[in-house]
Amino acid sequence: GENVEQHPSTLSVQEGDSAVIKCTYSDSASNYFPWYKQELGKGPQLIIDIRSNVGEKKDQRIAVTLNKTAKHFSLHITETQPEDSAVYFCAALKYNFNKFYFGSGTKLNVKP
Amino acid sequence: EAGVTQFPSHSVIEKGQTVTLRCDPISGHDNLYWYRRVMGKEIKFLLHFVKESKQDESGMPNNRFLAERTGGTYSTLKVQPAELEDSGVYFCASSQDLGETQYFGPGTRLLVL
Repeated sequence: GENVEQHPSTLSVQEGDSAVIKCTYSDSASNYFPWYKQELGKGPQLIIDIRSNVGEKKDQRIAVTLNKTAKHFSLHITETQPEDSAVYFCAALKYNFNKFYFGSGTKLNVKP
Repeated sequence: EAGVTQFPSHSVIEKGQTVTLRCDPISGHDNLYWYRRVMGKEIKFLLHFVKESKQDESGMPNNRFLAERTGGTYSTLKVQPAELEDSGVYFCASSQDLGETQYFGPGTRLLVL
């Protein structure tokens, strides 16, 4: 099966700085990679996703990059704000399969 | 449009008791999933329904866990009898199609004492 590893487990940045979270996956057949943000007391919310036919995707301050050869993908948050503080999860999915394989989560703390 | 809802939000029970968790998926989503996050580890897949049929139960820990989705609408996950290691956050998710974005509910935080 798939194995997704996520680093770092915790990340503390100053407001306005950038934050980068990295994930690697093991199954080269995985082709859909979402990122979820989980705020305290809430469920994971999709913030951005990327498919394997694309190398990079951007949505305002958030971007995701994918390197299929190296089997890793990263989440980039620029100009961080205190409301970006949350736990972020990466995940991998194979086309037409049902289960997401999640990373272990990164707790991001943005200091004002 | 309402998102995925789960009930209860929290449950504290004693070892040996029974607990039933409920999930209401997004209306029209045939695919419903249960996941669990234990002790700050990764979120792990438990099972997948398509309408009322169980498509994949490979993540269910043991036979103390029973999931149902009668009528293909809401789903329940029963733990009987509960053990200490069952403590964690149980998430439900739904999607319109297989392999597409899954939308998660807020989770049920289960604590077994």
